[in-house]
Amino acid sequence: GESVGLHLPTLSVQEGDNSIINCAYSNSASDYFIWYKQESGKGPQFIIDIRSNMDKRQGQRVTVLLNKTVKHLSLQIAATQPGDSAVYFCAENGGGTSYGKLTFGQGTILTVHP
Amino acid sequence: SAVISQKPSRDICQRGTSLTIQCQVDSQVTMMFWYRQQPGQSLTLIATANQGSEATYESGFVIDKFPISRPNLTFSTLTVSNMSPEDSSIYLCSVGVAGGRETQYFGPGTRLLVL
Repeated sequence: GESVGLHLPTLSVQEGDNSIINCAYSNSASDYFIWYKQESGKGPQFIIDIRSNMDKRQGQRVTVLLNKTVKHLSLQIAATQPGDSAVYFCAENGGGTSYGKLTFGQGTILTVHP
Repeated sequence: SAVISQKPSRDICQRGTSLTIQCQVDSQVTMMFWYRQQPGQSLTLIATANQGSEATYESGFVIDKFPISRPNLTFSTLTVSNMSPEDSSIYLCSVGVAGGRETQYFGPGTRLLVL
């Protein structure tokens, strides 16, 4: 079945560095992708999304890149801050009969050291 | 985005009992979803809560174990029935934003521990 996975379960960076979190997906029919941030004791928080007809989208300090050829998604965080420490999940919407349903990746723990 | 609340925020329950979790949204939404997040793991979709009809369950989840109600466009409940320690998880509701987008916004979650 469809699955979304992450290459790196943990990532440690120094404050001020740029962070890159990667995600691989297997469903070529997926047409919409979302990155979520989950802080301890909270629900997932929407960060940024991208549709399959785009390969890049920028937000405030965050950029999502989509490579459909290799089914790869990445989240780049510029000038990482201690408040960015959290678990980051990618999620895909499979489209078609899976419309509206999200499949989540494993998650990456980002730790930012002051 | 919608403001979503869940009750209770956490609970400790005895095996064999049932717990009903409530999800309230501050605006009318068409699509509501229930997820389970086991300790240290990712989110798994349990079911889609449809207003005016029965919930649609994902593979591995059944109505007898996780009955869901969706009486209106701002409220849903998930019951975890006949609980066992394996049901210890975070249970999250989410809503799909109206207007055709597939973005989902999540509630704060209900942290359940079954002894």
